[in-house]
Amino acid sequence: NAGVTQTPKFQVLKTGQSMTLQCAQDMNHNSMYWYRQDPGMGLRLIYYSASEGTTDKGEVPNGYNVSRLNKREFSLRLESAAPSQTSVYFCASSGQDRASTFTSGANVLTFGAGSRLTVL
Amino acid sequence: GDSVTQMEGPVTLSEEAFLTINCTYTATGYPSLFWYVQYPGEGLQLLLKATKADDKGSNKGFEATYRKETTSFHLEKGSVQVSDSAVYFCALTGFSGGYNKLIFGAGTRLAVHP
Repeated sequence: NAGVTQTPKFQVLKTGQSMTLQCAQDMNHNSMYWYRQDPGMGLRLIYYSASEGTTDKGEVPNGYNVSRLNKREFSLRLESAAPSQTSVYFCASSGQDRASTFTSGANVLTFGAGSRLTVL
Repeated sequence: GDSVTQMEGPVTLSEEAFLTINCTYTATGYPSLFWYVQYPGEGLQLLLKATKADDKGSNKGFEATYRKETTSFHLEKGSVQVSDSAVYFCALTGFSGGYNKLIFGAGTRLAVHP
């Protein structure tokens, strides 16, 4: 089935370790996003990529880096994990040409199943 | 900046009960409004949307009407099923932190019992 695929689904890290969350979509979407979900706080945007070759910071980018490897793939890297980064991470994609343009009202995100990360 | 406020959960109902989940928003301009649903172990998926005032979004028996005068987008369903148990997120297209983005509420967990 077409959609957004994230790996891994679960990961436990020690403080200071690094890791990369992988995301791939097969819907030919231009825009991709990384969110984190924390209890009582909804979803917060970490980074987004409006199109292949571009990335921009979201609401909570500190401690993260991203790479838009090609149109299909958008990875999120934690260089030195901290307990505050314990969360559920969601990758999403959309067909809008510009991720920063939501005013058309037509923007709909397709989400992956999530990656639960625990930092000890 | 723009924001979304949802009623706190969890909301616990018996099967076939009437559901209302309140959502109010603060926004400059004329945002589009969305309800996303997250089933256990899955990512969010769009449930319904409305792009202008007085529009009614509907899907799978759920409805929500874009009320500009009360800045609300309450989610309703006449008769819930056990399979509706999930977390529901209200969201809007808005401007916050210097750029346009999709802004989510904190989510409301719904539990439906047989």
